[in-house]
Amino acid sequence: AQSVSQHNHHVILSEAASLELGCNYSYGGTVNLFWYVQYPGQHLQLLLKYFSGDPLVKGIKGFEAEFIKSKFSFNLRKPSVQWSDTAEYFCAMTYGGSQGNLIFGKGTKLSVKP
Amino acid sequence: GAVVSQHPSWVICKSGTSVKIECRSLDFQATTMFWYRQFPKQSLMLMATSNEGSKATYEQGVEKDKFLINHASLTLSTLTVTSAHPEDSSFYICSARMSLYSYEQYFGPGTRLTVT
Repeated sequence: AQSVSQHNHHVILSEAASLELGCNYSYGGTVNLFWYVQYPGQHLQLLLKYFSGDPLVKGIKGFEAEFIKSKFSFNLRKPSVQWSDTAEYFCAMTYGGSQGNLIFGKGTKLSVKP
Repeated sequence: GAVVSQHPSWVICKSGTSVKIECRSLDFQATTMFWYRQFPKQSLMLMATSNEGSKATYEQGVEKDKFLINHASLTLSTLTVTSAHPEDSSFYICSARMSLYSYEQYFGPGTRLTVT
């Protein structure tokens, strides 16, 4: 079955450290990929999305993600994290047969130490 | 723009009673609304998809008679948990999509349901 995997359950970083959160998906066809963020006590917000074109996608708040089709990956990166980036990050996808329904990974909790 | 609200944000009910959760798109019309359930330290699991004026489409394993979904208008969808039991305690999140041709969903803040 189609799925999204996020291998890091909890990542702890100090401020100014670089961030990379892994995301892999399982589907052999065309996919749309998303990263959502959920700050403590707040609703899910879209960070960035990839539909087609340039595989390096830039999102809000300095985040970017790179779609590597050969690796079925869509890792999220940020060169220098801030304490305010502490949140839960979800990778998600839609695919041709999902009728636009999002399939989420289990999420990665990011804790940034000041 | 694209704000989705949920009400209530937190509810406690007794086992056997029913609870209704509202999801509203405040500044846009939502052709499709989605209901998710989120367990602690786990992902969002899609429960059902509803289009305005149509019956909801439930995911496999979700009891449609227990989780009643009504999409009465383009800005309102409700989820009613009937005869709630402690195992129904969870975080319920709705989202809304502006059009059938858009993949982007806007999420509500969620409702914490505790059944005692």
